[in-house]
This record gives sequence, C-alpha cells and structure tokens, in this order.
Amino acid sequence: DSGVTQTPKHLITATGQRVTLRCSPRSGDLSVYWYQQSLDQGLQFLIQYYNGEERAKGNILERFSAQQFPDLHSELNLSSLELGDSALYFCASSSSLSADTQYFGPGTRLTVL
Amino acid sequence: GQNIDQPTEMTATEGAIVQINCTYQTSGFNGLFWYQQHAGEAPTFLSYNVLDGLEEKGRFSSFLSRSKGYSYLLLKELQMKDSASYLCAVPQNRDDKIIFGKGTRLHILP
Repeated sequence: DSGVTQTPKHLITATGQRVTLRCSPRSGDLSVYWYQQSLDQGLQFLIQYYNGEERAKGNILERFSAQQFPDLHSELNLSSLELGDSALYFCASSSSLSADTQYFGPGTRLTVL
Repeated sequence: GQNIDQPTEMTATEGAIVQINCTYQTSGFNGLFWYQQHAGEAPTFLSYNVLDGLEEKGRFSSFLSRSKGYSYLLLKELQMKDSASYLCAVPQNRDDKIIFGKGTRLHILP
C-alpha cells in the first residue's frame, strides 16, 4: 500500500459526459501528479500540482483540468469525453517539488462507451 | 527535448539473470528512476540513480552512465512474480515533470 488513495476504482460513462477523479496523496506529500495510461501505452504525464499550485503541464487536453485543494487532495476533471479517453488514470505523490520518488495510487479505470 | 528508449518485450527463464536497457536524451539530468508495474496495477519504485555506477538492492541492481545516456536494470535469480513491465523514467529538470519510457514487458518462463 503506497498510502495514495484514488476514487473511484472503476468508472463507466458515455461519450460527451463529464467525470471527476479524486486523489489523496500520502500524508505529508505536497506534490501530486496525474498520469494517463492507455492500453499498451506508457505513462503519459498530464499535470503536476505542488502545495495547491500548478507546477508543470504535460500532454493534457483542453477538455481536461485539475486542481489541488488546501487539504492537498486533488481532482482531475475530464469533460466532453471521447472513446479514446478510456484509460487508467494514475495519481502519484511525492514529498518535494524537485525530482523525487513518486508513490502511485491504485488508479481509476475509466471506460467511455 | 526528452526521449527514452527501452526494448518493448523480453523473455527470460526462472532462476536466470536478465538485463533491461534504457537509453535517454535529456536537456538536463537529474537522475534516473526505474519502476516496476504489474498488469493493471500501479507502478512501484525500484531504484533511483543520480551518480554513475552500479547500485545493488537485493536481487535488483541498477546501473547508470551519464556520459552515454544509458542505464540498465539487472534482475537476478528471476522469479515468476518478476513478470511485469519495467519503466525507465527521467526527470526533465530539477523542478519539472518526470518522463516515463513506454516500458519493457518482461515474461518469465518456468
């Protein structure tokens, strides 16, 4: 158990819909990262937050957004969903802003029908 | 820019040794990570190399050559549970994101 929690574990929805994925980092970790992993694809970095502020952006679509709240939990919002958005979405946390070991949550499996 | 290359798949026999290579190109270097990921599960941290040389941790060792942009993960005394994907990852710079390679899927045969 990494100490990072993600909810829900599974999510099935239809095209055009909007969903919210939630992540709680390990106790004391200030950095939260979001990744997308499609079937047979590597981890694609989406976005990083540190202590409530956006720090780095990867290949995140404009239909996707995220935020980190004062209690350090984070949410990833996916809107106008498309079939291609079906993937595993991982959240990871680390204790510092700089390059550091990341601890991954169990992931949310999103299926868009 | 950033580019990480790893073999897509490898096969080895239980009890044997396997070496998984990773080459990278990065504008600035701040260490290299190896993660293990079983199918459908979260990646778990294996090692972090920031200096050249070999670091050993039980059955797993990781090597880094910064001048060659090269790393490898060495797995000894392979067990069936080592069947997984192994991800090489490089931070883009000190305060930025970590880029993951596509991973090497390792199959262990009995």
